[in-house]
Amino acid sequence: SQKIEQNSEALNIQEGKTATLTCNYTNYSPAYLQWYRQDPGRGPVFLLLIRENEKEKRKERLKVTFDTTLKQSLFHITASQPADSATYLCALGGNQGGKLIFGQGTELSVKP
Amino acid sequence: NAGVTQTPKFQVLKTGQSMTLQCAQDMNHNSMYWYRQDPGMGLRLIYYSASEGTTDKGEVPNGYNVSRLNKREFSLRLESAAPSQTSVYFCASSGRQGYQETQYFGPGTRLLVL
Repeated sequence: SQKIEQNSEALNIQEGKTATLTCNYTNYSPAYLQWYRQDPGRGPVFLLLIRENEKEKRKERLKVTFDTTLKQSLFHITASQPADSATYLCALGGNQGGKLIFGQGTELSVKP
Repeated sequence: NAGVTQTPKFQVLKTGQSMTLQCAQDMNHNSMYWYRQDPGMGLRLIYYSASEGTTDKGEVPNGYNVSRLNKREFSLRLESAAPSQTSVYFCASSGRQGYQETQYFGPGTRLLVL
């Protein structure tokens, strides 16, 4: 069955450093991959989308890579800030419809 | 625009009781979704509706029913609540922006079944 795994451990980093979150998947060939941010008590909010034919996508301090050979996406936040503390979810999408398969999320804590 | 709204925000039920979770979106999206989120499990799709008048099962549909009342509204019904249905429920909608199927989420309904 399809499986998607993110860093199971919470990630604690110092302000100003780069945070790197991992998303690995098996038994699936996604057409695109998305990253969402979720704050406690709130619904997820879309951050970035990367397609299967794209290697890298950037938006301000965020960078996403997508390696379909390794079946892995990396999500980077450069110059991290305490306000970046949240849970980050990766999600895979196919060619038919808008259904997504979500990973369990990685909790990021940025300390001042 | 309110985006995606959900009611109620919190609910406590006794085992065997029924309830309906309401969801509405004002973005003219075709597709709508119901997820549940449990600790360590991520978001799991319960049901989805690709367009008005159609609904399909997701990963965990047992114990739930849905109604796509019109393009704006998609409700989730628990006919006989069980403690295993204690969870946070999120509704989402999506519309096509080119090739993107970004999902927009509501604030969630926290359900406790005793």
